[in-house]
Amino acid sequence: ILNVEQSPQSLHVQEGDSTNFTCSFPSSNFYALHWYRWETAKSPEALFVMTLNGDEKKKGRISATLNTKEGYSYLYIKGSQPEDSATYLCAQSGSARQLTFGSGTQLTVLP
Amino acid sequence: NAGVTQTPKFRVLKTGQSMTLLCAQDMNHEYMYWYRQDPGMGLRLIHYSVGEGTTAKGEVPDGYNVSRLKKQNFLLGLESAAPSQTSVYFCASRLAGGHQETQYFGPGTRLLVL
Repeated sequence: ILNVEQSPQSLHVQEGDSTNFTCSFPSSNFYALHWYRWETAKSPEALFVMTLNGDEKKKGRISATLNTKEGYSYLYIKGSQPEDSATYLCAQSGSARQLTFGSGTQLTVLP
Repeated sequence: NAGVTQTPKFRVLKTGQSMTLLCAQDMNHEYMYWYRQDPGMGLRLIHYSVGEGTTAKGEVPDGYNVSRLKKQNFLLGLESAAPSQTSVYFCASRLAGGHQETQYFGPGTRLLVL
């Protein structure tokens, strides 16, 4: 069982602020790192999948980086908006393609 | 194209009762998963299947059984429900292939065991 950790557990920011949070994972036997966005009362939705050390992915104001050698990924949100409020999950892919999820970072963007 | 659907949406059980949760997907996905979500613990994998007729244990399989008799359906069974199984259950599916394939989640089933 992989040990995936996320920090902080929760975060409150003002509208317009930029923010980032961390996902750390075992660096050995790395296959892929997934980021999901999970809004209250909805299902998790995929944001990014990253497989290569140094990968950077971007979708609008959200971007992510990956360091497989040291076992961490950062998710950045530029100019946070209230609609960005959600729980952001990262998950590491195991050898059988099963995902081990972190406990998530709950982001609240205050208007 | 409904994606991943789950039945029922909500259920209340008494301790010792049994029930089956149904997950269905219409995307012709080979892999299917059952997770439970508890406060502060994220999503934990219960069982998964990499194809029709095959199942495997995940991180927290005790107290659950699964079956994958048809490719599009993945059933999660609780033989004798316990209060510790009060949770929100999510099903997910994905295509076979590499580790980069995305999992698609259903809307969840909220289960309360009294």
